Amino acid sequence: QVQLQESGPGLVKPSGTLSLTCAVSGGSISSTNWWNWVRQPPGKGLEWIGEIYHSGSSNYNPSLKSRVTILVDKSKNQFSLKLSSVTAADTAVYYCARVTWRPDYYGMDVWGQGTTVTVS
Amino acid sequence: EIVLTQSPGILSLSPGQRATLSCRASRSVSSSYLVWYQQKPGQAPRLLIYGASSRATGIPDRFSGSGSGTDFTLTISRLEPEDFAVYYCQQYGSSLLTFGPGTKVDIK
Repeated sequence: QVQLQESGPGLVKPSGTLSLTCAVSGGSISSTNWWNWVRQPPGKGLEWIGEIYHSGSSNYNPSLKSRVTILVDKSKNQFSLKLSSVTAADTAVYYCARVTWRPDYYGMDVWGQGTTVTVS
Repeated sequence: EIVLTQSPGILSLSPGQRATLSCRASRSVSSSYLVWYQQKPGQAPRLLIYGASSRATGIPDRFSGSGSGTDFTLTISRLEPEDFAVYYCQQYGSSLLTFGPGTKVDIK
């Protein structure tokens, strides 16, 4: 059973870079899945940040694209998020999630527990 | 970018009642890529419905999804205490993913 675990600093200074890693266990990051980052500001809804495939192909939310980089590290079976020039508006719970994509099935079916990042 | 609108924002109901949640898209969405999630406080979202109408593994049959094009519905036939939560719709198209703002189902 695939599990995801986010890790990284819980506090980032304004104008700095937020860096998080999502470790994949119980399965291979090289499987036919897309690996996503989603965030949720306090008391608000879900916001998609972006996704990556094990080949390195990626897609980003246009509203964040200029500040976001998502990379995959197959040797460590993990993927990462970097968000630059952060402000207080980037304070949120950050989730990593797996998208399974088959002809008869599409959805974020595995989620990490989330990690809180505060910009202050 | 497709914008999803969910209504109502808050739905106050009692256990045993039927809940009907709406998700409307700014333009047509492929049903194959319309998904519903449930989120409880302090927890990650959980996949409920995929392909607009198929229940994910382990989801009780009181949850059902329907719709096509720009209008989709999540129905909970009889609310159980554990169903009081926030529900999000999500779509994927043209390499972009968007979530709706959510509907909170709370206890009346």
